[in-house]
Amino acid sequence: LAKTTQPISMDSYEGQEVNITCSHNNIATNDYITWYQQFPSQGPRFIIQGYKTKVTNEVASLFIPADRKSSTLSLPRVSLSDTAVYYCLVGDIQTGANNLFFGTGTRLTVIP
Amino acid sequence: GAVVSQHPSRVICKSGTSVKIECRSLDFQATTMFWYRQFPKQSLMLMATSNEGSKATYEQGVEKDKFLINHASLTLSTLTVTSAHPEDSSFYICSVLTGGGGNTIYFGEGSWLTVV
Repeated sequence: LAKTTQPISMDSYEGQEVNITCSHNNIATNDYITWYQQFPSQGPRFIIQGYKTKVTNEVASLFIPADRKSSTLSLPRVSLSDTAVYYCLVGDIQTGANNLFFGTGTRLTVIP
Repeated sequence: GAVVSQHPSRVICKSGTSVKIECRSLDFQATTMFWYRQFPKQSLMLMATSNEGSKATYEQGVEKDKFLINHASLTLSTLTVTSAHPEDSSFYICSVLTGGGGNTIYFGEGSWLTVV
């Protein structure tokens, strides 16, 4: 079971780049790393997913070192609307839910 | 990504009654759906895995007779909270597992249950 550890909270000013790191020391060979964003009273929204090295899409980048024991979500030039809780989810999504447990998440507050 | 819809978004029920929450995969045939519960200011807790055409798999500590899950079609899973109590008041969220190489999980909007 690949448990994850994230900082509980982070603050950032508008326009800055934000990097949120997730530790997953027990990640298994078949595990993927997925990041979600959650606003209050809404379901989590998929941001990005990766297995190794670097993945980039229109909203974020995901950096995964060679040992895969951690990952970093990078949000470029955050705005006030990026204030949310960000979850790192690690698991073998091929096999179902047994490994798909959420950690505490990181509450990001963007300051004007 | 997959579009997942939950209904109702908010429901209030009396203690002792049952309430059903629906989860629909609108653009994807989901053989596997998941149900989570989230209390205020806390993370999501996995309750059960819903498999189309078979019995759901419940996580440890989740009463299967209290939280009835039915996944009768590839686009619909339901969660019924039976004999609801105030402590069952929570935010319930379903999700679907997509397949085909880029497996990932997409979530519904969530359903707020308040038991009075």
